[in-house]
Amino acid sequence: QSALTQPASVSGSPGQSITISCTGTRSDVGGYNFVSWYQQHPGKAPKVMIYDVSNRPSGVSNRFSGSKSGNTASLTISGLQAEDEADYYCSSYTSSSTLGVIFGGGTKLTVV
Amino acid sequence: EVQLVQSGAEVKKPGESLKISCKVSAYTFTNYWIAWVRQMPGKGLEWMGIIYPGDSDTRYSPSFQGQVTISVDKSISTAYLQWSSLKASDTAMYFCARHITGGVDVWGEGTTVTVSS
Repeated sequence: QSALTQPASVSGSPGQSITISCTGTRSDVGGYNFVSWYQQHPGKAPKVMIYDVSNRPSGVSNRFSGSKSGNTASLTISGLQAEDEADYYCSSYTSSSTLGVIFGGGTKLTVV
Repeated sequence: EVQLVQSGAEVKKPGESLKISCKVSAYTFTNYWIAWVRQMPGKGLEWMGIIYPGDSDTRYSPSFQGQVTISVDKSISTAYLQWSSLKASDTAMYFCARHITGGVDVWGEGTTVTVSS
């Protein structure tokens, strides 16, 4: 099964807001409210930023928010900061895989 | 605090075998699936497989079926990922993670595996 579709890169200036999209199908993103987002800095383990489409784990800044419309989920980061520069991945439940889960290809966020 | 602590970096030769580990703490090991995720150098995250420690139900991604073996030892709350014959293309970072519906809620720190002659 193909990965969820994310833009390869996005960029923004400090203080701005950016949105990263994650597009799937009705078998995954569109059919279920089980989308998660992860932030990964170079050489580090991923960190959960959003789960179940729009829920933030304890300790994650409220500058990070998640939403979904149809087959596309989105991660919005407001008030961009230099430390937000990282790779971001989405994942979703899928009914099309024995594992029941699928990743996006990842998006490199550059804070310019 | 829930933690998944992975074994240290490995450097192996092609054809050698390897078993890396992931020890969990601060939750009931048998109540959550454990996932293994590969990240090749400069690339994205790939699901390899998942295992339910309660009954050892194991599911593999088609890309990894037959290439690796995932197992657990409930007595020591530890999950394993093993190879019987490594290839250079197995060079990657491997993460274990606590699997929830649609993703992961806690990640291990990763184990770097380098396979080189």
